[in-house]
Amino acid sequence: DSGVTQTPKHLITATGQRVTLRCSPRSGDLSVYWYQQSLDQGLQFLIQYYNGEERAKGNILERFSAQQFPDLHSELNLSSLELGDSALYFCASSGTTVPNSPLHFGNGTRLTVT
Amino acid sequence: DQQVKQNSPSLSVQEGRISILNCDYTNSMFDYFLWYKKYPAEGPTFLISISSIKDKNEDGRFTVFLNKSAKHLSLHIVPSQPGDSAVYFCAGGSNYKLTFGKGTLLTVNP
Repeated sequence: DSGVTQTPKHLITATGQRVTLRCSPRSGDLSVYWYQQSLDQGLQFLIQYYNGEERAKGNILERFSAQQFPDLHSELNLSSLELGDSALYFCASSGTTVPNSPLHFGNGTRLTVT
Repeated sequence: DQQVKQNSPSLSVQEGRISILNCDYTNSMFDYFLWYKKYPAEGPTFLISISSIKDKNEDGRFTVFLNKSAKHLSLHIVPSQPGDSAVYFCAGGSNYKLTFGKGTLLTVNP
């Protein structure tokens, strides 16, 4: 158990809809990362927050947004959903500001857009 | 543009033998590399890392080798155990961004 909790585990929704994925980092971890894994793809970095502030941004679509709250949990909002957004979305947390420190991943949210 | 490539989608080895998983990268800005292991229905778990200033790092049965001139790294698992059967991802890091390969499915046969 990594200590990172993601909810929900599964989400099925229709095109054009909006969903929110939630992540609770390991106790004490200030950094939260979001990754997307599509079919046959590696993990694609979306965005990172550190103590409530955006620190790094990857290939995140404009239809997607994220935030980290004062209690350090994070939410990833996906809007105007398209079929191609179907993927596994992973949240990870890290306890240090050292860039090469290992990330601790949650078990992911599987999003299916129909 | 795939900056981290794991060219072997799968690898099968016998229990007790060596498993060698390979990874190539194109981004010269990576200053550290990590390997993660992933079981089905779970998130990736950290396995081992190496700084770009080193050429080898060892942790128990796991050793990572880095050849900067060839932009190549490899993960050696000796001896391989059935519980090592999983998908292995290599990742290159720069600042706070990790770029992952697509993974290699390792199957260790008893």
